[in-house]
Amino acid sequence: ELKVEQNPLFLSMQEGKNYTIYCNYSTTSDRLYWYRQDPGKSLESLFVLLSNGAVKQEGRLMASLDTKARLSTLHITAAVHDLSATYFCAVEETSGSRLTFGEGTQLTVNP
Amino acid sequence: EPEVTQTPSHQVTQMGQEVILRCVPISNHLYFYWYRQILGQKVEFLVSFYNNEISEKSEIFDDQFSVERPDGSNFTLKIRSTKLEDSAMYFCASTPQETQYFGPGTRLLVL
Repeated sequence: ELKVEQNPLFLSMQEGKNYTIYCNYSTTSDRLYWYRQDPGKSLESLFVLLSNGAVKQEGRLMASLDTKARLSTLHITAAVHDLSATYFCAVEETSGSRLTFGEGTQLTVNP
Repeated sequence: EPEVTQTPSHQVTQMGQEVILRCVPISNHLYFYWYRQILGQKVEFLVSFYNNEISEKSEIFDDQFSVERPDGSNFTLKIRSTKLEDSAMYFCASTPQETQYFGPGTRLLVL
């Protein structure tokens, strides 16, 4: 059974600082996703990582994938308050199959 | 930009009642999914649907649950006899074959 673990689960950081969220998964997979969720809202797709060494960047967020280590990271650069949300990684074992989600990282960026 | 839509946005029901949650996936997508998220917890897969049949289901998706695609656009989740523990946010998602796009969710409260 595929397991997906994120850490930390809670992250409180100051504006302007950098930090990394980690996502480990237990079996080989086709692709890895990062989603953002604001309180009471749906899941917004941030990144899809398809292959070993993939790196994608959007604004202050950068995601990477190491399939050999079964590890993805979401790096936050110079955090701003607007990034406060819960971030989920999710793994898709094969194309079109279910997503298995991590527990989520609740990020709070303080002024 | 096309979006997945869901109705109703909120539903309150009595334990033992039947509920039907509705979704309209993005029109050229091939794979459809239902997920749920109990308040404060991670997102859990329920069922996937491809080519007019269930392609995968989780342990949560027992005999009380069913899915249907009654016409070319709607995709429904029925819970036959709701339990208190069915209270959750239910998300529909669809994909052409890559990123899964999530709808806004239906918040179900079982009393």
